[in-house]
Amino acid sequence: QVQLQESGPALVKPSETLSLTCSVSGGSISSYYWTWIRQPPGKGLEWIGYIYFSGSTNYNPSLKNRVTISLDTSKNQFSLRLSSVSAADTAVYYCARGGPYDFPPYNWFDPWGQGTLVTVSS
Amino acid sequence: QSVLTQPPSASGTPGQRVTISCSGSSSNIGTNNVNWYQQFPGTAPKLLMYRNDQRPSGVPDRFSGSKSGTSASLAISGLQSEDEADYYCAAWDDSLNGWVFGGGTKLTVL
Repeated sequence: QVQLQESGPALVKPSETLSLTCSVSGGSISSYYWTWIRQPPGKGLEWIGYIYFSGSTNYNPSLKNRVTISLDTSKNQFSLRLSSVSAADTAVYYCARGGPYDFPPYNWFDPWGQGTLVTVSS
Repeated sequence: QSVLTQPPSASGTPGQRVTISCSGSSSNIGTNNVNWYQQFPGTAPKLLMYRNDQRPSGVPDRFSGSKSGTSASLAISGLQSEDEADYYCAAWDDSLNGWVFGGGTKLTVL
């Protein structure tokens, strides 16, 4: 079955750029909505954005100016970049597959990666 | 403050039936499907219910979902100790043009 695994630095300095990669195994990335979701310690879930297999993207308006999600079909990976980070961006970052429909509101997130904690601190 | 509103906590004794509510608006729950996720401490959320009332393979039929108007509910019957977890609702929001989550409900089995 499809499995997702996040990777990237655990510590990022304030004002720098957070970069994470999600590796997809057991299935092709050439379909579905590939999604990033985060969870600050002790708090709830926040949708960051997604990239469709076609390359189109959609971001949370609250993060839109700082977020870029990209796709590398040759490596079966997708990535998150979040610029100008602050302590408020400290969170567990999850990647997830959104699908299975072309129309986003019809979809759900399954499966999820195990998550990776990113701390923003000098 | 989350767009979808859930009670922060819920509890029940083994064997009881517990319901967790999720309240939204016409731009999210009122128009779109609701999904539910279950999260155990230190682990990733897992899909528990999709399209309001559909259970993924492997989810016990003790779990059921419903939606009415701008609210949705997750019911757990025959409560078991292993059901102790955090539960999140989620829906697409047409105004935001993106996904929104509830703040989560921590279920305690007494």
